[in-house]
Amino acid sequence: GQNIDQPTEMTATEGAIVQINCTYQTSGFNGLFWYQQHAGEAPTFLSYNVLDGLEEKGRFSSFLSRSKGYSYLLLKELQMKDSASYLCAPMDSNYQLIWGAGTKLIIKP
Amino acid sequence: SAVISQKPSRDICQRGTSLTIQCQVDSQVTMMFWYRQQPGQSLTLIATANQGSEATYESGFVIDKFPISRPNLTFSTLTVSNMSPEDSSIYLCSVARGTEPYEQYFGPGTRLTVT
Repeated sequence: GQNIDQPTEMTATEGAIVQINCTYQTSGFNGLFWYQQHAGEAPTFLSYNVLDGLEEKGRFSSFLSRSKGYSYLLLKELQMKDSASYLCAPMDSNYQLIWGAGTKLIIKP
Repeated sequence: SAVISQKPSRDICQRGTSLTIQCQVDSQVTMMFWYRQQPGQSLTLIATANQGSEATYESGFVIDKFPISRPNLTFSTLTVSNMSPEDSSIYLCSVARGTEPYEQYFGPGTRLTVT
């Protein structure tokens, strides 16, 4: 079956760094997406990894290891506005996104 | 990215009635999707809206309950029929251009409450 595993909730301090891990099992693989979703809002696209390695985009970086079925999202210089849910979504062989419940990130001053 | 609007943004409906949700995109897109999301839960794909043909429904969702139209490459509607309180949820449309990297962009969502 298809499965996504992320921590339910994480807490971090403003200005710090946090890493949100995701392990996945899918039928085929066509890349992995990270989305940010603020409470009451729609998800917004953050990053896409299809090859192994690290993709850096400003304060956010995303890493993929296809052989391990593993990805992480790294957020640096945390700001209060980063408080949100972060959704890991691999794409299967049918180009369909498989959604987990996401990780709720709480930023404290 | 694409600019996506949804109407209505929220509604409160009576049990047994139907609501049609509209999704409008500012440019032509290959793929349009309809999702449902309960508070604190993951996104559940209802169907893929295909232009010029019947929508493709996921397991657990049927056309009689969730009829979908897609008359062109920028517009789609989802109807929630014969509503019950269990249909209370946020309904989201999303679009993708159908080329790598296939990222999906989401509309703002429609918050539906059925009483």
